[in-house]
Amino acid sequence: GDSVTQMEGPVTLSEEAFLTINCTYTATGYPSLFWYVQYPGEGLQLLLKATKADDKGSNKGFEATYRKETTSFHLEKGSVQVSDSAVYFCALWFGGKLIFGQGTELSVKP
Amino acid sequence: KAGVTQTPRYLIKTRGQQVTLSCSPISGHRSVSWYQQTPGQGLQFLFEYFSETQRNKGNFPGRFSGRQFSNSRSEMNVSTLELGDSALYLCASSLAGGLRETQYFGPGTRLLVL
Repeated sequence: GDSVTQMEGPVTLSEEAFLTINCTYTATGYPSLFWYVQYPGEGLQLLLKATKADDKGSNKGFEATYRKETTSFHLEKGSVQVSDSAVYFCALWFGGKLIFGQGTELSVKP
Repeated sequence: KAGVTQTPRYLIKTRGQQVTLSCSPISGHRSVSWYQQTPGQGLQFLFEYFSETQRNKGNFPGRFSGRQFSNSRSEMNVSTLELGDSALYLCASSLAGGLRETQYFGPGTRLLVL
């Protein structure tokens, strides 16, 4: 069945470091792909999305490119801030539902 | 435009009781989905409603049910609560639940079953 696999956390970085969170997916069709972020005690906020192959989603300095050939949607940011500390979820939308990865906790130290 | 709202935000119940959670979607959104989030299982899809009809269902027992009203507000009910039902329940809405749409999430209802 359809699934999403994310790199395991927690990930700890220093402020201004480069961030990559790997995400790969398995899908029978052509899903839309999303990154959501969850801050402590809150629900999920959409970070970015891509709806077809080679689309690049971007928001708040975060980027991810829909790579159909490698079935990947890796999240990147050039310079992280302490305020980026949160849990990040990769997800695919197919068959009328979102399928999530297990989440990657990011901690950014000053 | 107001976001997705969920009530109550926190709830404590005991085993065997039942509970009803409420979700008000973004104005104009007709699709409402529910997800369960637990540390062990992560985020799992419960069901989706569109125009008062359940359109998709996840792999949960029949104790979990829902409904949607004509104003698109949705309720989720869990009967005969078990300890394992302790979780954050998230509601999401979108215009029509289409493939390229974005699901907007509410803050969640945190349920603790004792």
